Amino acid sequence: DGGITQSPKYLFRKEGQNVTLSCEQNLNHDAMYWYRQDPGQGLRLIYYSQIVNDFQKGDIAEGYSVSREKKESFPLTVTSAQKNPTAFYLCASSISKGDTGELFFGEGSRLTVL
Amino acid sequence: GQNIDQPTEMTATEGAIVQINCTYQTSGFNGLFWYQQHAGEAPTFLSYNVLDGLEEKGRFSSFLSRSKGYSYLLLKELQMKDSASYLCAVRLYNQGGKLIFGQGTELSVKP
Repeated sequence: DGGITQSPKYLFRKEGQNVTLSCEQNLNHDAMYWYRQDPGQGLRLIYYSQIVNDFQKGDIAEGYSVSREKKESFPLTVTSAQKNPTAFYLCASSISKGDTGELFFGEGSRLTVL
Repeated sequence: GQNIDQPTEMTATEGAIVQINCTYQTSGFNGLFWYQQHAGEAPTFLSYNVLDGLEEKGRFSSFLSRSKGYSYLLLKELQMKDSASYLCAVRLYNQGGKLIFGQGTELSVKP
């Protein structure tokens, strides 16, 4: 079945360590997105990519990095520069890089910094 | 800046009808989405409005008034499984399809 796979589902990290969250989709979607969700808050956009080898910063990109080397993959690295990384991270994709189509979400990755 | 407001919490009774409101102030509006999210899970798509009016889909309906910057999600014949967070999101024009989300409305359905 087609869908978006995020891994790991749960991740624990020590302060000062970088960690990479995986996001893979087999929907043949052009656009991919990373959102962060904190308790009681809406989803906030970290980075998005409309096409391979290109990506743009969202509203809260500081302390994060991404790559888009393949259409199917959009990994997110949470660096040690991110001051408050404990959160629920959601990856999403959309059929078009334009202004049509809803976002399809992965199951999420919950990151806890110890 | 962009601003999307919705109530933080709502409570309703099983079998009843509930309306969740969303107001927005954004530049370059290009559609409004409603998603349902159960605790610890991914959001799932419920509805999409880009023109004024009512869109009905089974027990769920969504309304949009672009001139008022207003939308609502109507849930009929409430079931216990409808207890979830409901997210209102706006797509901005010509910005790569990204969505701007409100903070979500936590709906509790009581027996």
